[in-house]
Amino acid sequence: EIVMTQSPATLSVSPGERVTLSCRASQSVSSNLAWYQQKPGQAPRLIIYEASTRATGLPARFSGSGSGTEFTLTISSLQSEDFAVYYCQHYDKWPPFTFGPGTKVDIK
Amino acid sequence: EVQLLESGGGLIQPGGSLTLSCAASGFTFTRFTFSNFAMTWVRQAPGKGLEWVSGISGTGGSTYYGDSVKGRFTISRDNFKNTLYLQMTSLRADDTAVYYCAKDVHGGGSYLDSWGQGTLVTVSS
Repeated sequence: EIVMTQSPATLSVSPGERVTLSCRASQSVSSNLAWYQQKPGQAPRLIIYEASTRATGLPARFSGSGSGTEFTLTISSLQSEDFAVYYCQHYDKWPPFTFGPGTKVDIK
Repeated sequence: EVQLLESGGGLIQPGGSLTLSCAASGFTFTRFTFSNFAMTWVRQAPGKGLEWVSGISGTGGSTYYGDSVKGRFTISRDNFKNTLYLQMTSLRADDTAVYYCAKDVHGGGSYLDSWGQGTLVTVSS
């Protein structure tokens, strides 16, 4: 089973700041990596797939990069609606398609 | 747009069994049907992160399970009823979670582009 790790666990930032979240896989997952956003009381929402492709309707301030074992989600200028928990998930080869433990982005 | 609606959650005693359902809709005016997509169950314990639980291919011919539920949970689907199921047996306190069903982007395993709102399962005496 591929183990996904994320850092940091929590990020306290001010609106307008640039945010960078990291995700690491225990072995190569190629570009088979997705990012999800979850707000309190809501289901997760797909935001990035294939490591760098934005989901339909996602603002351009979100971008994903990386391949192999190291991935990054960047929010260029954090807006109030972006405060949430962000999870990465691999979907390489066979299940289980494990999730990372999440990074909580909260208000400084 | 695909909608997913989970049901069947509730309070169950340790060792008990429960079956969750997930009804899918929104395929009517598309060229795709429910059977074109793999489906996945993901759970989230209170205050915790997401855990991939189980997945099933679009035809239902392939099923997969996370280590924590293997041998206790069974995933299935009825492509005529556009419904996904999760049969849970030998339930334990650590199975307590909100269970989400989610649609894969194609017939094999992949990322999850539609999610239901979840159903809460509480295992407690």
